[in-house]
Amino acid sequence: RKEVEQDPGPFNVPEGATVAFNCTYSNSASQSFFWYRQDCRKEPKLLMSVYSSGNEDGRFTAQLNRASQYISLLIRDSKLSDSATYLCVVNKRDSSASKIIFGSGTRLSIRP
Amino acid sequence: GAVVSQHPSWVICKSGTSVKIECRSLDFQATTMFWYRQFPKQSLMLMATSNEGSKATYEQGVEKDKFLINHASLTLSTLTVTSAHPEDSSFYICSARDLRDTDIQYFGAGTRLSVL
Repeated sequence: RKEVEQDPGPFNVPEGATVAFNCTYSNSASQSFFWYRQDCRKEPKLLMSVYSSGNEDGRFTAQLNRASQYISLLIRDSKLSDSATYLCVVNKRDSSASKIIFGSGTRLSIRP
Repeated sequence: GAVVSQHPSWVICKSGTSVKIECRSLDFQATTMFWYRQFPKQSLMLMATSNEGSKATYEQGVEKDKFLINHASLTLSTLTVTSAHPEDSSFYICSARDLRDTDIQYFGAGTRLSVL
């Protein structure tokens, strides 16, 4: 089982729709969580950090559920420019080092 | 946000030659940098963790003699693909963690390597 799992998609939704992705992680020692966005043939860019209390940035809302070990990303009023691959990232730390683990990404395509 | 510069962005080389890729953190210090490889329509694959002043830590299946990593300063790591072959053609991306916030990685723009 992968340490971080995402539905690869693709999710194909109309402009203006609301879309949500989940990501599950297997290691309860995981301590910090992020969503990154990667456009085709580009590098990943940090979209937002994810906190237990949930956080919102404009049309984007991220949630963390430690009990069930998943994080989510909600995009409201989706735009054509939201089309990208969304990567779930988990950072786990032990006494010696921290390790950052990427999910394989969820592809989102917004259609006009 | 923090800036990581990666150079070159695109390189074409003949089979058997070596290619060096540089990764620089421009406005922060990074004791740890990471090198990833990504094939088309696949996810990022961590190749190695580059530690300033010490040897890199390679992931399983990555040949350390093939992919030489040097991290001589807090702002520069280099990856050299030695004796490149067509199967090494890929998108190579580096990232760096800011000393002040080690949870977040900042990525370079990537290097597209094509080996003929």
